[in-house]
Amino acid sequence: QVQLQESGPGLVKPSETLSLTCTVSGGSINSYYWTWIRQPPGKGLEWIGYIYYSGTTKYNPSLKSRVAISLDSSKNQFSLKLTSVTAADTAIYYCAGGPTVGVVFAWGQGTLVTVSS
Amino acid sequence: EIVMTQSPATLSVSPGERATLSCRASQSVSDNLAWYQQKPGQPPRLLIFGASTRDTGIPARFSGSGSGREFTLTISSLQSEDFAVFYCQQYYDWPPVTFGQGTKVEMK
Repeated sequence: QVQLQESGPGLVKPSETLSLTCTVSGGSINSYYWTWIRQPPGKGLEWIGYIYYSGTTKYNPSLKSRVAISLDSSKNQFSLKLTSVTAADTAIYYCAGGPTVGVVFAWGQGTLVTVSS
Repeated sequence: EIVMTQSPATLSVSPGERATLSCRASQSVSDNLAWYQQKPGQPPRLLIFGASTRDTGIPARFSGSGSGREFTLTISSLQSEDFAVFYCQQYYDWPPVTFGQGTKVEMK
């Protein structure tokens, strides 16, 4: 059973870069679509983007100019970078995976990232 | 971007009763529709994909129906562990994949 775990700073200053890593265990990263989804406290879900094991990426157009997702198959990890953050980027960030872009059956527990000086 | 609209925002139901949740897409998504359940402090859990296919281990009391623009999630007999927020999600036209705003199912 695939398990995912997010890691990274819980506090980021405005205008800086948010960086998170997701470690995949119980399965190979060389399959599935690996996705980042976020959820502002008390609000709904927002799809950030995905990376396929081949390296193909797609991003939410609303974030496209600021986001990058990468993959390190040697470490069974994929990562998220979001530049020029503001308070609006404060959210629980989930890494997730599934057999297609939209079908997400494996989720990390989520990590709260707060943007504040 | 396809906008997903869920109704009602909150549904008050007694244990053992039937719950019916609705999801409408701003344009057709065929059957590329998933439902997720989220409990407080937990990540979402996939219930249904392909509009009507239950994920592995999901109880039969959860059923999904619909195609095109109109979808329904039905919980035939609510159990205490079912109270949560439910999200629909389209994956027909992306990026971006989009979610509804959620329906909270609370105990009456």
